[in-house]
Amino acid sequence: GAVVSQHPSRVICKSGTSVKIECRSLDFQATTMFWYRQFPKKSLMLMATSNEGSKATYEQGVEKDKFLINHASLTLSTLTVTSAHPEDSSFYICSAKWGGQGSPLHFGNGTRLTVT
Amino acid sequence: TQLLEQSPQFLSIQEGENLTVYCNSSSVFSSLQWYRQEPGEGPVLLVTVVTGGEVKKLKRLTFQFGDARKDSSLHITAAQPGDTGLYLCAGERAGGTSYGKLTFGQGTILTVHP
Repeated sequence: GAVVSQHPSRVICKSGTSVKIECRSLDFQATTMFWYRQFPKKSLMLMATSNEGSKATYEQGVEKDKFLINHASLTLSTLTVTSAHPEDSSFYICSAKWGGQGSPLHFGNGTRLTVT
Repeated sequence: TQLLEQSPQFLSIQEGENLTVYCNSSSVFSSLQWYRQEPGEGPVLLVTVVTGGEVKKLKRLTFQFGDARKDSSLHITAAQPGDTGLYLCAGERAGGTSYGKLTFGQGTILTVHP
């Protein structure tokens, strides 16, 4: 069964509004989660590393004020797309690592965001 | 610059043919993972390789990790339409602040025609 749950799977919002996406690790604690963005038929682009109890680490070129990440507990990280615009429409995926070096990442099923 | 070069990016073949996907880098990885992704879903792990020169088999799929741990390949024998999907390689750098941080290749979109 899935070890990482992502919600919602699809969301449509109007331009200018904010959208929150949740990523939960099931049955294990994840001190670190990762948020990716994926364009159609393209690979995953890492946006940020979400650290429980501290600030997220953003990749170069990712606006931290636009993509707010909160890792409030060991099983939940949230990504909020603030003041969304049509160009923010994309597939957003989170992942969490369960185990030490070399252990795989477990991915959520992604969230399809459409901004109209 | 792409840290992990994956090729080819597109592959369209007939059922029963063999294929190989490559991932190459100038960097050393502590482990390398292969994922398969269906449209609208998250990637699903196929295999993890951690030892230089390692070969792993998963039914008709064969995975190799280069001796220097800089490159990897995925070979599919007698491809079937059910193999269609996006294949991703991802490398993990060793320790420190890179823990769990994967570098993904560009992906290979495989289409197997019946």
